[in-house]
Amino acid sequence: DQQVKQNSPSLSVQEGRISILNCDYTNSMFDYFLWYKKYPAEGPTFLISISSIKDKNEDGRFTVFLNKSAKHLSLHIVPSQPGDSAVYFCAAFPGAQKLVFGQGTRLTINP
Amino acid sequence: NAGVTQTPKFQVLKTGQSMTLQCAQDMNHEYMSWYRQDPGMGLRLIHYSVGAGITDQGEVPNGYNVSRSTTEDFPLRLLSAAPSQTSVYFCASSNLGADTQYFGPGTRLTVL
Repeated sequence: DQQVKQNSPSLSVQEGRISILNCDYTNSMFDYFLWYKKYPAEGPTFLISISSIKDKNEDGRFTVFLNKSAKHLSLHIVPSQPGDSAVYFCAAFPGAQKLVFGQGTRLTINP
Repeated sequence: NAGVTQTPKFQVLKTGQSMTLQCAQDMNHEYMSWYRQDPGMGLRLIHYSVGAGITDQGEVPNGYNVSRSTTEDFPLRLLSAAPSQTSVYFCASSNLGADTQYFGPGTRLTVL
């Protein structure tokens, strides 16, 4: 039973445009979320997080939005750059150090 | 500061063979964990440890053993490899209570 779902396996965006990656979750007890970025042959690296007491968190070109009523979060990248091409994982942090990951979305930024 | 290191990077095993995937971290993190990544499944937690001498099972522990004799090392043992264990394995570490985990570069394992 996938508690965190990323329903788009891949996304292709033109350089300079906005990339929007989506994530849905089923457990209403989840109250903290993270996005990780993964390049080929490397481990995932932390990108940005959001707590349920907020509905938005920004860090430079990256913004994460959280809609608690819809159990949905999204990662916006503006403007998209070629170096953003990677696999992006959404994860919930239910506590006790555990992370519950989504399936990942492969983002390709085209020149 | 090397962070989280994993060896080997690649491994091919035959069904029934055993092996140990090594993981080490030099950040003095109490928490260490093992994940496997499979297509369409994301990363799934296998085992984790909150300190030396303490380990517990994650979501998919069957077929794997772990031990934690030091803060730095957290090896993952496959006692009798099966083709279903073909995957990419990631080790991660963090301070206790921290949400952000630091991942190693991964070990790609193929079981024939």
